Amino acid sequence: EDKVVQSPLSLVVHEGDTVTLNCSYEVTNFRSLLWYKQEKKAPTFLFMLTSSGIEKKSGRLSSILDKKELFSILNITATQTGDSAIYLCAPAQGGSEKLVFGKGTKLTVNP
Amino acid sequence: DGGITQSPKYLFRKEGQNVTLSCEQNLNHDAMYWYRQDPGQGLRLIYYSQIVNDFQKGDIAEGYSVSREKKESFPLTVTSAQKNPTAFYLCASSIKSGGSYNEQFFGPGTRLTVL
Repeated sequence: EDKVVQSPLSLVVHEGDTVTLNCSYEVTNFRSLLWYKQEKKAPTFLFMLTSSGIEKKSGRLSSILDKKELFSILNITATQTGDSAIYLCAPAQGGSEKLVFGKGTKLTVNP
Repeated sequence: DGGITQSPKYLFRKEGQNVTLSCEQNLNHDAMYWYRQDPGQGLRLIYYSQIVNDFQKGDIAEGYSVSREKKESFPLTVTSAQKNPTAFYLCASSIKSGGSYNEQFFGPGTRLTVL
């Protein structure tokens, strides 16, 4: 059975802190891993990772994939209140391109 | 503006009634997907379609039905057979390039409440 585990489930930090969100997975026919940010409604795309060890960066956010250990992390440096959201990890399965979502990490950044 | 639209935003229905949720995209994306999200849970796949007139069941298809008569449209019907239909429903689409699909883009969602 396909499984995606995100940790922690919930995290409260102060502005300026750095956070690391974790995602471990076991999915059949793995092709890539996607990270999404969900605020009120629709998840918005952050990163798609297909190769191990290559960091992807976008501003204060960065992410890396370890295909041997079946693990990915999402880092956010110098957090801001606008980073408060649920962060979803979703491995994609080749062929069908189905995404298998974890339960998400709820990040709260306090001023 | 290109994007994915879902309607209605909020929907209320009585037990025993079927209801259809709309999803339209003008991104010329090949694949479309329906997910359900419950509080504290990740998204779970209901149905998906990679080409017109073809679709596949996801992990929780029971009590739902779909159609894909046009590339732009992928409506979801929640039937009375769905035991616990109250949830947030999200539609997504993705484009195929180089033999594989890129990231999925999501619509704003429909919140369905069964009274």
